Amino acid sequence: SQQGEEDPQALSIQEGENATMNCSYKTSINNLQWYRQNSGRGLVHLILIRSNEREKHSGRLRVTLDTSKKSSSLLITASRAADTASYFCATPVNNAGNMLTFGGGTRLMVKP
Amino acid sequence: DGGITQSPKYLFRKEGQNVTLSCEQNLNHDAMYWYRQDPGQGLRLIYYSQIVNDFQKGDIAEGYSVSREKKESFPLTVTSAQKNPTAFYLCASSPGPDQPQHFGDGTRLSIL
Repeated sequence: SQQGEEDPQALSIQEGENATMNCSYKTSINNLQWYRQNSGRGLVHLILIRSNEREKHSGRLRVTLDTSKKSSSLLITASRAADTASYFCATPVNNAGNMLTFGGGTRLMVKP
Repeated sequence: DGGITQSPKYLFRKEGQNVTLSCEQNLNHDAMYWYRQDPGQGLRLIYYSQIVNDFQKGDIAEGYSVSREKKESFPLTVTSAQKNPTAFYLCASSPGPDQPQHFGDGTRLSIL
């Protein structure tokens, strides 16, 4: 069963705009991960945020985690056409740590 | 150059046939995973292995089998019992609990 669910399912923006994707989950977690998938390719890890962290940055990416609301957001600033991809959040299964459950993803299109 | 190699990139299965998807990693990771991805969907876990000669069923193991005889290799067999095998199959590995997973570029399996 899926733990994380992304919102929106699809997002279309112009180059230079910011893109925000949200992830909600159901049970307590000790970390949450975001991945990116280009069409027809494997997933690439973007950021891991732990339950004791509220915000984390990596280049143009900013991830927040609100454990009280069981939600996370991924912000991509100053988007580029190359950011066009699907973005997935993933959470540990039963906090076992070795297994992840993935949401259905947000499909982002950045128009040049 | 470390990474995960999946082969073949495309595979076709005839009725009643078993097919085997290859996954090799040179990252020295203990844990390896197989996921199935249907069009426009997230990933579902088929099998995972935390260590050589040990593996566990995921959410959708029926009709699939795996082996883990070497740390570097985790092949997936799609058996004739899997009635709807058409999907994109992704292999991943990770160094341990609560660590990012590294993905191969997938095998797309279709029915002839």
